[in-house]
Amino acid sequence: SQQGEEDPQALSIQEGENATMNCSYKTSINNLQWYRQNSGRGLVHLILIRSNEREKHSGRLRVTLDTSKKSSSLLITASRAADTASYFCATDARGSGGSNYKLTFGKGTLLTVNP
Amino acid sequence: KAGVTQTPRYLIKTRGQQVTLSCSPISGHRSVSWYQQTPGQGLQFLFEYFSETQRNKGNFPGRFSGRQFSNSRSEMNVSTLELGDSALYLCASSPGGGAAYNEQFFGPGTRLTVL
Repeated sequence: SQQGEEDPQALSIQEGENATMNCSYKTSINNLQWYRQNSGRGLVHLILIRSNEREKHSGRLRVTLDTSKKSSSLLITASRAADTASYFCATDARGSGGSNYKLTFGKGTLLTVNP
Repeated sequence: KAGVTQTPRYLIKTRGQQVTLSCSPISGHRSVSWYQQTPGQGLQFLFEYFSETQRNKGNFPGRFSGRQFSNSRSEMNVSTLELGDSALYLCASSPGGGAAYNEQFFGPGTRLTVL
């Protein structure tokens, strides 16, 4: 089963608007990552936030983490058509048969930014 | 630095055949992870290799196997292909071990179609 679940599944906005995507997860984590994927291609890492951090910024991106609610949000400000992509959150979870953690992805939010 | 490369980019096979996919990580990266992406199941972790050792594995049948060479290049093999194995197979690398703790650099993927 997925560790992280993004909400909403799809989001359509106009250029210049802000976009907010949410991620909820089930078990405690060490860190949470956000990735972007354009049209079924490889993923691009956006931000990694550790469990002892509450907020992180990178350019037009702002990520928050609330470990008490087991949730995170990704805010993209002043969106552009080029931001059109699927956005995934990923958390660490124990792999089968061992103590090593694996990266577990949610099913993603499809963001469409209309020019 | 060159990015993560995957070969081939597209592959068409028939049920029952086997397939080998290749991944060359970014120079200096010792960790390589593999993921399967399908519309229904999303992104699912297959396995992670670090210094030629499998560190972690996901919940896939034994038909899925992999290995890593001394130069960190990795291959994954799927035997006795089934229709449900049709997917985008993504490889990711990171400098150190522990894919769940570090930014992952993804390749463009191999699109496998099983007929």
